[in-house]
Amino acid sequence: GQNIDQPTEMTATEGAIVQINCTYQTSGFNGLFWYQQHAGEAPTFLSYNVLDGLEEKGRFSSFLSRSKGYSYLLLKELQMKDSASYLCAVKPGNNRKLIWGLGTSLAVNP
Amino acid sequence: DADVTQTPRNRITKTGKRIMLECSQTKGHDRMYWYRQDPGLGLRLIYYSFDVKDINKGEISDGYSVSRQAQAKFSLSLESAIPNQTALYFCATSDRGLAGAQETQYFGPGTRLLVL
Repeated sequence: GQNIDQPTEMTATEGAIVQINCTYQTSGFNGLFWYQQHAGEAPTFLSYNVLDGLEEKGRFSSFLSRSKGYSYLLLKELQMKDSASYLCAVKPGNNRKLIWGLGTSLAVNP
Repeated sequence: DADVTQTPRNRITKTGKRIMLECSQTKGHDRMYWYRQDPGLGLRLIYYSFDVKDINKGEISDGYSVSRQAQAKFSLSLESAIPNQTALYFCATSDRGLAGAQETQYFGPGTRLLVL
C-alpha cells in the first residue's frame, strides 16, 4: 500500500529550530509537498521537492532523500504564529492523486 | 480577492436533507478537488475533476455526488445528509502542468458542515 508517516505532535520554543520528519512508501514518486494549516483554516502551500537535496525559503527549508523515502521540514527562528499543523503530501508515479499524511501539530511556546 | 471561494462557509442541516456546497475559482486551473477533513483522519479525497468532462471518485465518495458546471465551478452534493458527514470540507484547485510543482493544490477557505 501507499503510506506517509509523520509525528503526531511536536513542541518547540520561540526562537528555536525544529525539524518535522516525513517518511513515505509509494508506488513511484513525482514530488513531495509541505503545507501549513492553522486551526480551522485552509492548508497553504509551503514547499515542493522532487530532486534530492535542500530547498530553502526564508525561515523554512525542506529536504528530500528519494532513496530513503524521507523528507523533513526545517523551521528556523520559530515564532508563535508558526504554531500550526504541517502536512506532508506525496504525488506517486503515474497517479493523479496526492497521498496525504495526517499532519504534525506543532506548538510553539514562549 | 480570494482565488478559491467556497459557499456557504458554515452550514447546519438535518439528517436526510439534501445540501450543496459550491466552489468557484479564478485561478484558471483545470483541476479541482473536494476533500473532507476530520480530526485525526487528515484530508480525505471525495471527488476530483481534471477538466469539465472528467469526474473521478476519490477514496470516500459514497453518499456524495459532484457537478463540474464550468472550468471555474465544482459543486459537491450530499444527497441525504447523515451525522457522520459532519466535517470540514475543502475545495482545491491545481494547474495541469507537466512539472510536478505546477500541480500544487490551492485550497478554498473551507465549509464547516454540521448534520444533526
